[in-house]
Amino acid sequence: KQEVTQIPAALSVPEGENLVLNCSFTDSAIYNLQWFRQDPGKGLTSLLLIQSSQREQTSGRLNASLDKSSGRSTLYIAASQPGDSATYLCAASNFGNEKLTFGTGTRLTIIP
Amino acid sequence: NAGVTQTPKFQVLKTGQSMTLQCAQDMNHEYMSWYRQDPGMGLRLIHYSVGAGITDQGEVPNGYNVSRSTTEDFPLRLLSAAPSQTSVYFCASSPGQGSPEQYFGPGTRLTVT
Repeated sequence: KQEVTQIPAALSVPEGENLVLNCSFTDSAIYNLQWFRQDPGKGLTSLLLIQSSQREQTSGRLNASLDKSSGRSTLYIAASQPGDSATYLCAASNFGNEKLTFGTGTRLTIIP
Repeated sequence: NAGVTQTPKFQVLKTGQSMTLQCAQDMNHEYMSWYRQDPGMGLRLIHYSVGAGITDQGEVPNGYNVSRSTTEDFPLRLLSAAPSQTSVYFCASSPGQGSPEQYFGPGTRLTVT
């Protein structure tokens, strides 16, 4: 059974810093890994999706990497801004896109 | 496109009552899923569907029923509400094989007293 872990549960950094969020998974036979953002009281917004054949994906100031052999994914945020404050969730799929196993998220606070 | 819509946004039920959470998508997606989100436990899959007429159980299906009579709609039924079903419920959809990105609705916050 796939298990996904995100550590730390909360992170505070000053504005302008680059930062890395971590995601680890137990089953390396993943189909894809997806990073989401969730604002308080809101739904999930997809940020980046990495297919099992890829090693990284980039969108603007965000870069996500995938290392299946070590069971790890990272989300790199460059030049952080207060608007980046949110909870970031990663989710792994092993059986195609109808089943996602989520981590419990990292709550990120960017300090102005 | 409205994307994935969910109704109601908030609901309070008494123990033993039944209700249906509505989910609809206008993107012609094949896959639809229901998750619940509880503090400290992340999102957990309740039921999912890979197309009209096809549904299957996820990780926490007990106490919930689903059906998929159309591509657009995927309602979630609570048969006899229990306090343990107090949660935030999210519906998601994705296009299908070869395009796995999932899109989530805004959620329904359910309280069972």
